[in-house]
Amino acid sequence: DIQMTQSPSSLSASVGDRVTITCRASQSISTYLNWYQQKPGKAPKLLIYAASSLQSGVPSRFSGSGSGTDFTLTISRLQPEDSAIYYCQHCYSSPTCTFGQGTKVEIK
Amino acid sequence: EVQLVESGGDLVQPGGSLRLSCAASGFTFSGYRMTWVRQAPGKGLEWVANIDQDGNGKFYVDSVKGRFTISRDEAKNSLYLQMNSLRAEDTAVYYCARIGGASAFDYWGQGTLVTVSS
Repeated sequence: DIQMTQSPSSLSASVGDRVTITCRASQSISTYLNWYQQKPGKAPKLLIYAASSLQSGVPSRFSGSGSGTDFTLTISRLQPEDSAIYYCQHCYSSPTCTFGQGTKVEIK
Repeated sequence: EVQLVESGGDLVQPGGSLRLSCAASGFTFSGYRMTWVRQAPGKGLEWVANIDQDGNGKFYVDSVKGRFTISRDEAKNSLYLQMNSLRAEDTAVYYCARIGGASAFDYWGQGTLVTVSS
């Protein structure tokens, strides 16, 4: 099975900062990589699909990049409402799906 | 508006059974693969099972194979998860979600809590 490893596991940044989260796959997955945001007590929300496509309604400060095994989620100017846990996910090259372990983003 | 509403979560004893339901509306249910994802208290997201549009393709995480069964009813626009031989480690909030383009889970329900405890 394909494993997804995120880093860092947590980070603290100030409003307006540029934040980058990385996700590494244990083998090449082309661009079949999605990113989700989850706030406490809420269901996850899709942010980015196919590595770099912004889901409808998601603010443009969120962006994704990468292919193969290495991917990044970038928040260009961190906002207070971006405090959440972010997960990467792969669900294509096998019938099974895998999430990364999550990255907690806190506001200083 | 796409809506997914889960139900059926409860407190159940180890070894017991439970059936979760997910009522779908606002889209053509038969046109989409569907999935169940769970989240144990204080833990990350864990994919549980997928089902294809025609209900024939069903895929499971290893830890639930042989115990859980995913199914769907097109007439009722509903997704189900039959959970048998429940264990303490199955305690979690269970979410249903729609699988969209690039196999992304584009719409999620609010979740239903399953607690396995004596």
